Parts: sequence; C-alpha cells; structure tokens
Amino acid sequence: GQQLNQSPQSMFIQEGEDVSMNCTSSSIFNTWLWYKQDPGEGPVLLIALYKAGELTSNGRLTAQFGITRKDSFLNISASIPSDVGIYFCAGRSRGTYKYIFGTGTRLKVLA
Amino acid sequence: DGGITQSPKYLFRKEGQNVTLSCEQNLNHDAMYWYRQDPGQGLRLIYYSQIVNDFQKGDIAEGYSVSREKKESFPLTVTSAQKNPTAFYLCASSIARGMNTEAFFGQGTRLTVV
Repeated sequence: GQQLNQSPQSMFIQEGEDVSMNCTSSSIFNTWLWYKQDPGEGPVLLIALYKAGELTSNGRLTAQFGITRKDSFLNISASIPSDVGIYFCAGRSRGTYKYIFGTGTRLKVLA
Repeated sequence: DGGITQSPKYLFRKEGQNVTLSCEQNLNHDAMYWYRQDPGQGLRLIYYSQIVNDFQKGDIAEGYSVSREKKESFPLTVTSAQKNPTAFYLCASSIARGMNTEAFFGQGTRLTVV
C-alpha cells in the first residue's frame, strides 16, 4: 500500500531551535493533516490544511499545503522538551475516504 | 466529552485464538478506520467503513475482519489466520461527506501474542 515519504526520519535538536520536516506524495491530495504521537498513545491532530498554498499556524507550529498539492511542510519554532515524539503527515485525495500516512519523523529535543 | 474510545488498552492473545478489539465513537462520524502500527513504523490501513453495514479492505486486511452494525461502533477481530498479530492497533473516525474532513484517533490497543 502507498505510504507518503516523510523526511527526515529522525532528528536530534537543541532546545530552542527551529525544526522543519516535510512530506511528499506521488498523488495529488486535497487534504493534508499533521499529527503528533507520544509513546503508547494515539496520534493527536495538530493542523489541517485544505487548500493549495495554505499556511496555517497552531501556536509554535506552522504547516503549509504545497502549491503542487503533492507535498506539505511542518515547522516548529523554538522547540521545547515536550515537543519530543513522532510527527506524522497524512493526505487524502478528492473522492476517497482513505487517509494515507507518512512514515513519521521522530523528534528528540536535547535540553 | 466527545471522542473515540478503544478497549482494552492492552490485550494478550494465545496463538490460534481470535480476539476482538473494540472501537466506539460519539462524534456522529460516518467513517471509521482501523490502522496497524509496528515499532518504528508508520500507520497501515487494515479496514475502513464509510457507512453502516458497509466496509472496504485496506492495504493489509488479510487475517482481520470487521463489522459495522451501528454508526458508533467498528470492532476489529484479529483471527488466527493473522500470522504476526503483535502490534499497536489504532481506530479513527471522520466525517465522510464534505470537503474539509479531519480524522481523529482513539488511544490505541496494544496486542501481544503469548
């Protein structure tokens, strides 16, 4: 089955640094979602994007719907220790109910 | 509070046994989904349902079965035909119709074969 390419796979950063990750697809999507998953828990929705070029923020998080509709980006500014976790992107094409998920970016923040 | 409830949180199964994982939502969502997550992996779709009494296979449906008799409930049965069932199972739901839809997840069930 299809999975989205998400990069980087993992990253260690210092507290206070900004973080960027991206997700690419071979298909065009009309919805991009970004989630954070803590160990042993279900993913929690962070940001939803519905329009090409859209830029949406949620606190220190900012996500963008790529203009080609085949990619999306998530930025975290001024990282803090509780940002540790796995970040997943998910996309959905028009006319389907299936959400395709990325492989995840594992973030570790060094205090 | 509205949300998605999965139970149990932890489940142990003996080889050769069938087990059923529960998923209930009170969000009035039409669509429900089951995903499997293996350590260090992404989420893979097992089954999904757009409406009551209807469901479709996802990418890894072999060895699993589902039912959708009520809008609120979408139980997943892991059968003895599933050769490697140890994994973290996640249930999700979303509004099926309309352009702007978001999927919300339950807390997951960790299944271990003993």
